[in-house]
Amino acid sequence: DIQMTQSPASLSASVGETVTITCGASENIYGALNWYQRKQGKSPQLLIYGATNLADGMSSRFSGSGSGRQYSLKISSLHPDDVATYYCQNVLSTPWTFGGGTKLEIK
Amino acid sequence: EVQLQQSGPELEKPGASVKISCKASGYSFTGYNMNWVKQSNGKSLEWIGNIDPYYGGTSYNQKFKGKATLTVDKSSSTAYMQLKSLTSEDSAVYYCARGDGNFFDYWGQGTTLTVSS
Repeated sequence: DIQMTQSPASLSASVGETVTITCGASENIYGALNWYQRKQGKSPQLLIYGATNLADGMSSRFSGSGSGRQYSLKISSLHPDDVATYYCQNVLSTPWTFGGGTKLEIK
Repeated sequence: EVQLQQSGPELEKPGASVKISCKASGYSFTGYNMNWVKQSNGKSLEWIGNIDPYYGGTSYNQKFKGKATLTVDKSSSTAYMQLKSLTSEDSAVYYCARGDGNFFDYWGQGTTLTVSS
């Protein structure tokens, strides 16, 4: 199985800051990577698919990048509404595996 | 509007079985795979498997083979996941999620399963 490692596990930043979450795969996943946002008490929501494509309805303050084994999610101009846990997901091959999550809080 | 409505919370004893449902609406049920995902106690997410509602074909995470069985009822646009031989390790929130290609674009609200004697 492809292992997905996210860092940091938790993150605290101020409104207006830009933050970056990274996700590493145990092997090359050729851009087959998604990001999800899960707010407290809610279901996960698709944020980025195919490493760089913004899902419908999601804010353009979110952007994804990366290739090979290393990927990043950048959140620009943090809003209080961005408080959530973020997960990356390998979709190169089954079993589709998720990173451990990054919990984002606002200072 | 696409909606996935899951069945309510379950409390089961060790050794029992449970069947969780996920009723889809707002789209062609047979046009998209249905995935199931486990979230244990605030931890990360685990993909259990998926089912093609049109053909009924399934794909399982090896970890959940023998534990989970995925089925659908096309007449009611409902997907089901049965979990058997329950233990405390099965206590979790279970989500259904529509698969559009290789991403999950709509999720159910989650069903909490508690296994306790």
